[in-house]
Amino acid sequence: GAVVSQHPSRVICKSGTSVKIECRSLDFQATTMFWYRQFPKQSLMLMATSNEGSKATYEQGVEKDKFLINHASLTLSTLTVTSAHPEDSSFYICSAISRTNNEQFFGPGTRLTVL
Amino acid sequence: AQSVAQPEDQVNVAEGNPLTVKCTYSVSGNPYLFWYVQYPNRGLQFLLKYITGDNLVKGSYGFEAEFNKSQTSFHLKKPSALVSDSALYFCAVRDGNNQGGKLIFGQGTELSVKP
Repeated sequence: GAVVSQHPSRVICKSGTSVKIECRSLDFQATTMFWYRQFPKQSLMLMATSNEGSKATYEQGVEKDKFLINHASLTLSTLTVTSAHPEDSSFYICSAISRTNNEQFFGPGTRLTVL
Repeated sequence: AQSVAQPEDQVNVAEGNPLTVKCTYSVSGNPYLFWYVQYPNRGLQFLLKYITGDNLVKGSYGFEAEFNKSQTSFHLKKPSALVSDSALYFCAVRDGNNQGGKLIFGQGTELSVKP
């Protein structure tokens, strides 16, 4: 089946630094990618929707200047957490919709810990 | 707007007994309904989906779900639970009239199967 990868799988950073998370669709082209965050034992909260070559659409309450999303190609989207703080510590999951069959696939997630 | 409700935070079942994890939804268009399972510190694994057709959908690992339009429900079931089924289960809905539309998740239900 289709595979979505995320890199890194885990990252620990100091408060105030920026962290970039990559999401790749390995064997399909993705028209749309989504970024979710998940707190322990809670649901996935949609942060933003990104379409290749256009600006991301952010959900209400998500700061676009803090969570920068770049969907540079049909197989790659990046999420940059700028000036990270401990409250940004979370599990970030990306998802991609296949251009060919409109199926949605999820990445394995990235655990971000901000000290 | 679309939403999903999973009324039970936790479901406890003895191994070998049938299990049910409940889900109700609200969507303005045609409901595309999904169940995912998540193991600790892992991404989401797809279990099954309902798009159209037969109301009873069979999925991975012996799980099935029944789409009930009048009750706007999509409960997940398995005839005989295994200890290895213990995990976090998410129901999700997408508006089928919106190509590339976002997937909205329920709050999750933690399933615990005891030997």
